[in-house]
Amino acid sequence: AQKVTQAQTEISVVEKEDVTLDCVYETRDTTYYLFWYKQPPSGELVFLIRRNSFDEQNEISGRYSWNFQKSTSSFNFTITASQVVDSAVYFCALSEGNAGNMLTFGGGTRLMVKP
Amino acid sequence: NAGVTQTPKFQVLKTGQSMTLQCAQDMNHEYMSWYRQDPGMGLRLIHYSVGAGITDQGEVPNGYNVSRSTTEDFPLRLLSAAPSQTSVYFCASSYPSGGYTFGSGTRLTVV
Repeated sequence: AQKVTQAQTEISVVEKEDVTLDCVYETRDTTYYLFWYKQPPSGELVFLIRRNSFDEQNEISGRYSWNFQKSTSSFNFTITASQVVDSAVYFCALSEGNAGNMLTFGGGTRLMVKP
Repeated sequence: NAGVTQTPKFQVLKTGQSMTLQCAQDMNHEYMSWYRQDPGMGLRLIHYSVGAGITDQGEVPNGYNVSRSTTEDFPLRLLSAAPSQTSVYFCASSYPSGGYTFGSGTRLTVV
């Protein structure tokens, strides 16, 4: 069965610091998809990225970057020069190729960025 | 705006009452699902559907029923509410192997 672990339950940083959120996953499938979602204090879930298991290229989007390493089953998320608006709960999730696209979520990491 | 619409946004139920959480999407997505979010546990899958007329159980299906008579709608029924069902419920939809679009959530309290 698939599993996603986000070992960091809460991280606190000062604005402009870089911060990395860890995500480790388990799956027996060779085809799978990894996701990151942001949940701000307002409660909605905001899609950030989707990565398939055959694409290990790192991705950068503005201040956000993602490092996918199949060798360590990790899909870490880095925010560069953090801002107060980055304060949220971040979820990593996994979808197996033959699982009807259903998501298995990690427990989430609460990021607090202080001014 | 196109997306996933959940109603109601807030609900308080008494133990033993039944109710239906509504979910509708206008993106013609094949896949729809319901998740519940409890503190410290992330989101857990309750039921899902890969198309009209097809539903299946997720990780935590007990106490809930679903049906999918149309592509657009995927209601979640609580048969006899219990305090353990106090949670935030999210509906989501997607194309196969696509990123999910989530509704804004329903905060349910069972007293």
